[in-house]
Amino acid sequence: NAGVTQTPKFQVLKTGQSMTLQCAQDMNHNSMYWYRQDPGMGLRLIYYSASEGTTDKGEVPNGYNVSRLNKREFSLRLESAAPSQTSVYFCASRDDILHTDTQYFGPGTRLTVL
Amino acid sequence: GESVGLHLPTLSVQEGDNSIINCAYSNSASDYFIWYKQESGKGPQFIIDIRSNMDKRQGQRVTVLLNKTVKHLSLQIAATQPGDSAVYFCAENAGGTSYGKLTFGQGTILTVHP
Repeated sequence: NAGVTQTPKFQVLKTGQSMTLQCAQDMNHNSMYWYRQDPGMGLRLIYYSASEGTTDKGEVPNGYNVSRLNKREFSLRLESAAPSQTSVYFCASRDDILHTDTQYFGPGTRLTVL
Repeated sequence: GESVGLHLPTLSVQEGDNSIINCAYSNSASDYFIWYKQESGKGPQFIIDIRSNMDKRQGQRVTVLLNKTVKHLSLQIAATQPGDSAVYFCAENAGGTSYGKLTFGQGTILTVHP
């Protein structure tokens, strides 16, 4: 049981390049989330997916798109990266099986946009 | 103490001391609160949670206290160890149709000196 996994762990992009961050969970959770974390700050919600086939905007969605590929996988895409998107990105899934509302996080992707 | 949305405070303690990390929240509709620990280079790790119908909940070496009157949450760590050194975040969930969306505080840095 790996929990929440993310790839890649590190990435450097040039302004204008695109990339997709991958996330997968093996806990059979319905809800999944993407957050970004900037230095000295807490996590801010980018997008979330309450169930397979649905996605909704969070607090800071501009410049991002998401895809809930299936129940396990939730990807985050940057179509045209900007230096302001330099951050650490975390994926999480919520324990809606036991209805505890606890979110479990992946190890993060550290993205630098030059 | 920490407030959901302000600068990052720090707390330094000696090994063996008890630590208290504070958090103020602003949404009186929040019905679920959770504490996370984040070590350098890792994702947030669940510590303990509490629902709004409780005032106190205990785990192994940790206790969370909730004061709804003044919208204050605290995390107490007993016999603090060097391995407890990390950034600690509180988060709240407004419940209802929020689909488990958490609002995070900006964290408190705990440093434990041997």
